[in-house]
Amino acid sequence: EVQLLESGGGLVQPGGSLRLSCAASGFMFRSYAMNWVRQAPGKGLEWVSAINARGDSTYYVDSVKGRFTISRDNSDNTVFLQMSSLRAEDTALYYCALDPAPGAGDSWGQGTLVTVSS
Amino acid sequence: DIQMTQSPSTLSASVGDRVTITCRASQRITTWLAWYQQKPGKPPNLLIYKTSSLESGVPSRFSGSGSGTEFTLTISSLHPDDFATFYCQQYDTYPWTFGQGTKVEIK
Repeated sequence: EVQLLESGGGLVQPGGSLRLSCAASGFMFRSYAMNWVRQAPGKGLEWVSAINARGDSTYYVDSVKGRFTISRDNSDNTVFLQMSSLRAEDTALYYCALDPAPGAGDSWGQGTLVTVSS
Repeated sequence: DIQMTQSPSTLSASVGDRVTITCRASQRITTWLAWYQQKPGKPPNLLIYKTSSLESGVPSRFSGSGSGTEFTLTISSLHPDDFATFYCQQYDTYPWTFGQGTKVEIK
C-alpha cells in the first residue's frame, strides 16, 4: 500500500524558514517523481513543486521560485521542501503527492500545516 | 502558465442525477488531464488520469473525456458518497495547475 507521511509544519514568523519532509513507503520510491501541493485554509489546490526520480530536475510555481527548494533522498525514501523567506500567503496545508498515474489513487497523506504569522 | 477554469463552481444535484463538470484550459494540453475528489477534512483522491483512465478502485459511474482545451468529468448516477469538491489538474506543462474546484452539493 502506497503511503506518504508529511511532517515538519508549524508556526513561523514572516521571513522565517521551515523544512518539510515526506516519508514514502509501499512503492519503489527511487523510480517515481514527487510533488508538493498546498491548500490554503478554505481554498483550492495549488501545485507548488516537483522533482524527478533521480533528483536532478526540479520545477516550481513562480510564486515560490528562489524561496523554496525541493530535494529528495532515495536511500531514505524521503522528499523534502526547504522553505525560506516565508510570507503570510504561504500559509497552507502542504501535501506531498505522486504524479497522477496508476496507483496514485488515495496515496496522498494528511498533509502538514504551515502557518506564517507574527 | 496554463489556466484551468472549471464550471460550474457549485452544483446542486440529487442522488441518481447525471452530473457533468467541465474544465477548460487556456491552451491545448493534449491528454494530460486528471480529476480529483476531495471531501471536507480529507486529502484529494485521484479519480481519473490521462483524461479518461479510471484509477483502480474508483467506481465505474465516474468517467472522463475531452481533448485539446475542453474536458469533462461525468458521474452517471450520483451516489450519496459523491457529494464533495472536484478538481481538474493539467500536468502537460510546468507549472502544473488546478482548476478552482467544483462543489457538488445535495439538492
